[in-house]
Amino acid sequence: GNSVTQMEGPVTLSEEAFLTINCTYTATGYPSLFWYVQYPGEGLQLLLKATKADDKGSNKGFEATYRKETTSFHLEKGSVQVSDSAVYFCALSFQGAQKLVFGQGTRLTINP
Amino acid sequence: GAGVSQSPRYKVAKRGQDVALRCDPISGHVSLFWYQQALGQGPEFLTYFQNEAQLDKSGLPSDRFFAERPEGSVSTLKIQRTQKEDSAVYLCASTPTTGGGGYGYTFGSGTRLTVV
Repeated sequence: GNSVTQMEGPVTLSEEAFLTINCTYTATGYPSLFWYVQYPGEGLQLLLKATKADDKGSNKGFEATYRKETTSFHLEKGSVQVSDSAVYFCALSFQGAQKLVFGQGTRLTINP
Repeated sequence: GAGVSQSPRYKVAKRGQDVALRCDPISGHVSLFWYQQALGQGPEFLTYFQNEAQLDKSGLPSDRFFAERPEGSVSTLKIQRTQKEDSAVYLCASTPTTGGGGYGYTFGSGTRLTVV
């Protein structure tokens, strides 16, 4: 079946550090890939997406590239801020299918 | 409304009680989804509505779970005879279209259900 695996958390970094959160997927076919973020007390929000191989999604300084050969969609940011502290979820979906399949989430804490 | 609204925000139920969780999607949104998020896990799909039609209920874990959206707007997720393993955050999301593919989701803040 279709599944998403994220790196285990929690992840704790200092402000201005470089961030990578690994995400790999297993899927039949070519899904669309997403990163969602959940800030404390808020609903899940779409952070970025990519719909086909080699696409790069970007938003708020975060980037992720759809790598078909390694079935990966790692999230990166060059310089994190305290306000980036949240739980990050990698997810996939297929056109024509309604549901999202999520990874288990990675809690990120940024210390000043 | 401006966002997806869920109520109650928190619910504590005694084992064996029935509960009803409400979701108010964004006005005019065609598609509505329910997800279950256990502690420390990612959300897992429960069911999907397109307007009032429940098109996919493959994720409902047992026949104790029932969802409805009778007028194509507000939806209710009902859990009968709650069990401890039902403790989770229940998320609702809506999208403006039927196109699927994971696009345009707006999530509510969820209802945290604790079964004691």
